[in-house]
Amino acid sequence: SYVLTQPPSVPVAPGETASITCGGVDIERKSVHWYQQKPGQSPVLVIYSDADRPSGIPERFSGSNSGNTATLTISRLEAGDEADYYCQVWDSSTGHRVFGGGTKLTVL
Amino acid sequence: EVRLVESGGGLVQPGGSLRLSCAASGFSFGNYWMSWVRQAPGKGLEWVANIKSDGSEKYHVDSVKGRFTVSRDNAKNSLSLQLNRLRPDDAAVYYCVRDGTSGPWEALEMWGQGTMVTVSS
Repeated sequence: SYVLTQPPSVPVAPGETASITCGGVDIERKSVHWYQQKPGQSPVLVIYSDADRPSGIPERFSGSNSGNTATLTISRLEAGDEADYYCQVWDSSTGHRVFGGGTKLTVL
Repeated sequence: EVRLVESGGGLVQPGGSLRLSCAASGFSFGNYWMSWVRQAPGKGLEWVANIKSDGSEKYHVDSVKGRFTVSRDNAKNSLSLQLNRLRPDDAAVYYCVRDGTSGPWEALEMWGQGTMVTVSS
């Protein structure tokens, strides 16, 4: 089955830019989605189809996908961005959705 | 307003059964794929199952195949997940999630608040 690999944690200072990676074999051939989950809350979609933002998501959130790595980038980091972030794709060979293990973004 | 409200969670013994339900409102339920995603305590997200808008296609993660079954009733705007032969590692918050309208490659757009399933003797 298809595997997505994320770093367990990413610490970044406020006002800086956070980059969270999601690795997978030829992931550039897949459509990658990103979710934010704050403690005690349900996940929220923040990026879909590699780089599109749902309505209501700040422009500070952006995404890219190339080669074997997809990246979620959050610029001008705020304390409220502290959360777990998950990447997700659809594995066409099985018909199953797959999530990465999640990355805890810590705002220092 | 789009709403997804799960119910049916609770404490069950290993080997037991539960039926989770999700009441959907605020959108044309019959046009959307729907999914169940779970999250064990302190762990990450795990996709469990999804079902096509008309119920003609269903997919389940390998770890629950033969034990869990997803279903829907478009007339009642309702999604269900039947959980049989439950194991301790099935304990999790189960989220009802709205997919897109075109297919399972789309993002999981809207999430319910979740219902907790505890498996313990």
